[in-house]
Amino acid sequence: QQQVKQSPQSLIVQKGGIPIINCAYENTAFDYFPWYQQFPGKGPALLIAIRPDVSEKKEGRFTISFNKSAKQFSLHIMDSQPGDSATYFCAPSLDTDKLIFGTGTRLQVFP
Amino acid sequence: EAEVAQSPRYKITEKSQAVAFWCDPISGHATLYWYRQILGQGPELLVQFQDESVVDDSQLPKDRFSAERLKGVDSTLKIQPAELGDSAMYLCASSLRGGYGYTFGSGTRLTVV
Repeated sequence: QQQVKQSPQSLIVQKGGIPIINCAYENTAFDYFPWYQQFPGKGPALLIAIRPDVSEKKEGRFTISFNKSAKQFSLHIMDSQPGDSATYFCAPSLDTDKLIFGTGTRLQVFP
Repeated sequence: EAEVAQSPRYKITEKSQAVAFWCDPISGHATLYWYRQILGQGPELLVQFQDESVVDDSQLPKDRFSAERLKGVDSTLKIQPAELGDSAMYLCASSLRGGYGYTFGSGTRLTVV
């Protein structure tokens, strides 16, 4: 897990805000960059993922921005909703297989 | 929607006792993973199976942990003897070959007292 550093540790935003979560990694061999969402008492669920050949990917209200030279990628949540309140993990990996999870960011969205 | 089934959902055990967790992956998923998630941290891979074979157990504390997937379908993770530091969420995940369809179960919350 020391290979992956996630920030911030926690985040509080109002409904409609745009929380941004960042992930920095060390291993330049990683070739798959996903974000997972975890609700209390549940396992992580894949939210969105990107490959290193593109710099940005958008799915609904969720966007990944990828900066290969800086070895960083981030998650942006547009028009955040109270239902987005959860813990978010980046989990870069080799070959989609061995996920290396970050330390997590707890997001709270208030109405 | 297909799910990874895990049982039990919660387990409380005394230190030095044996404990076992069970996982039934999504049908057709050849790869099965066991992760440990300590409260406030991200999951860490303990063991990975491809069909019935272990392909990575480098992070499994083999003096007390064991895992098996005898027929290449469901799997059991065992801890003997349990220690206080083993208190965590144990998550099972499965995927098709190459990691496609990677899906986690809801986990087993273990408390060692």
